[in-house]
Amino acid sequence: DAMVIQNPRYQVTQFGKPVTLSCSQTLNHNVMYWYQQKSSQAPKLLFHYYDKDFNNEADTPDNFQSRRPNTSFCFLDIRSPGLGDAAMYLCATSRDRASSYEQYFGPGTRLTVT
Amino acid sequence: DAKTTQPNSMESNEEEPVHLPCNHSTISGTDYIHWYRQLPSQGPEYVIHGLTSNVNNRMASLAIAEDRKSSTLILHRATLRDAAVYYCILRDVRGENFGNEKLTFGTGTRLTIIP
Repeated sequence: DAMVIQNPRYQVTQFGKPVTLSCSQTLNHNVMYWYQQKSSQAPKLLFHYYDKDFNNEADTPDNFQSRRPNTSFCFLDIRSPGLGDAAMYLCATSRDRASSYEQYFGPGTRLTVT
Repeated sequence: DAKTTQPNSMESNEEEPVHLPCNHSTISGTDYIHWYRQLPSQGPEYVIHGLTSNVNNRMASLAIAEDRKSSTLILHRATLRDAAVYYCILRDVRGENFGNEKLTFGTGTRLTIIP
């Protein structure tokens, strides 16, 4: 039944060591999103893919990159994690970008930076 | 961007109805009103959305004021599983140039259910 799957659920990385978080979906949705949620804060959009078209939010740091090799998978790469990047990273999908379509979220990956 | 205002927290007794308010006095005619909730240690979950008319689904009802400057999410019979942070979000119905592809979360209302 799982629709948006994120692996791993918990990830520990060292300061400055690149890390990749993965997301897969079984919904065949066109749009995939990555949100960052820091402790006690609301989720904040980092970027999204509309099919193969990558759309970065203006205030997303360059340290964050993303790849979408096919419809089902999307990856979040953090090139040089800092302590401030410790957060829950949420992947979401949507059939289309229009506001009438709901977004489906995965359970998140909690990233710890040591 | 039109903003929403919600109480930081609310409490309700189990098996009673819950009314979660949201103010959006600067809402534009092209904004949908969306509600999502986030249970502890989980990703957000879609609850309901509407434009002008009241809406019902299996999870909740959405009552929208006639002037659209406020709305209320109604959980008809709260259970312990409904304890979550509830977010009221406006999304423009126009194209992605107006940001309708994103969910801009506010601080939300933390709902506590008392057994």
